[in-house]
This record gives sequence, structure tokens and C-alpha cells, in this order.
Amino acid sequence: GQNIDQPTEMTATEGAIVQINCTYQTSGFNGLFWYQQHAGEAPTFLSYNVLDGLEEKGRFSSFLSRSKGYSYLLLKELQMKDSASYLCAVINSNYQLIWGAGTKLIIKP
Amino acid sequence: NAGVTQTPKFRVLKTGQSMTLLCAQDMNHEYMYWYRQDPGMGLRLIHYSVGEGTTAKGEVPDGYNVSRLKKQNFLLGLESAAPSQTSVYFCASSLEAGTGSETQYFGPGTRLLVL
Repeated sequence: GQNIDQPTEMTATEGAIVQINCTYQTSGFNGLFWYQQHAGEAPTFLSYNVLDGLEEKGRFSSFLSRSKGYSYLLLKELQMKDSASYLCAVINSNYQLIWGAGTKLIIKP
Repeated sequence: NAGVTQTPKFRVLKTGQSMTLLCAQDMNHEYMYWYRQDPGMGLRLIHYSVGEGTTAKGEVPDGYNVSRLKKQNFLLGLESAAPSQTSVYFCASSLEAGTGSETQYFGPGTRLLVL
């Protein structure tokens, strides 16, 4: 079967750094996405990785290791508005997007 | 640009009733998708379309039908609603697939309650 694993919930402090991990087992790999979803809203695109390594975009960075089936999203200088769910999704060999259940990130002052 | 829009935003149905959810996008995207999102679960693909006039089944297609008569519109129909179809439904679109342009853009969602 195809599986995406993420922690269900994480808590961090405003101004700190948090790393959200994602491990995947899919039939083939053609890229990995991270999306942000605030409560009651639609998912919005954060990052896309297809090659190994770190992609940095402002306060957010995403890392991919294809050999390990592993990715993480790194959020720096956390702000209260970063409280949201973070969804990991993998494109498999059929170019279908397989979604993880998401990680709810709670930011405390 | 409005992006991806969905109507209605919220609906309550009785078991056995039918309804149609409308999705529209103004980005000239080829691919369109219907997902449902339930607590504790990832987004699950119901049906998708790779272009005008085409549709295909996703992971959880039973109880739903779709049509893509125009490139910008993708309709999701519930023939006979059941309480198990209570969910949040998201429509998404992408430029294409398989070329690095798979980023999907989502509509605001439709919250459906089936009693």
C-alpha cells in the first residue's frame, strides 16, 4: 500500500524553530509537496521538492531525502499566524497525489 | 483572478436527497480534482479530470458522479446522499501533471452535513 506518515500534533513557542517530519512509502516518486491549511480554510501551497536537498523560502525550508523516503518542513522565527495544519503529499509513479493526514501545529506565546 | 471558487459554501441534506457541487477555475488549468476531507484523515481523491470532457475515478468514487462539460467547470453530484458523505469537499486544479506543474490550487471548500 501507499502510506504517508506525519505526527498528528506538535506544539512550539513563538519565536522558536520547529521541524515537521514526513516519511513516505509510495509506488514510485515524482515529487513531494508541503501545504499549509488554517482551520476552516483551504490548503495553500508552501513548497515542492523533487531532488534531494534543502529548499529555502523565507522562514520556511523543506528538505528531501529520496533514498530514505523522508522529508521535513522547517519553520523558523515562529509567529502566532503559523498555527495551522501542515500537509505532506507525494506524487507517485502514476502522477497521483497521495496525502498525509497532516500535522496540527500549535504555537504558544 | 478569482482562482478556484466553489458553490455552495455550506449545505444540509436529508438522507436520500441529491445535490450538485459546482467548482469553477479561471486559471485555464487542464486538471481538476474533487477531494473530501474528514477529521484525522488525509485528503481523499473522489474523482478527477485531465481535460474538458474527461473524468476518472479516484480513491473513493462510490456514491458520487462528476462532469466536465467546460474546461473551467467541474461538477460533483451526490445521487442519494448518505450520512457517511458528511464531510468537507474541496475542489482543486492544476496546470497539468507529470511536468513539474503539479501544484494544485484549492477552492475554499463546501461543508456538507447529511442528516
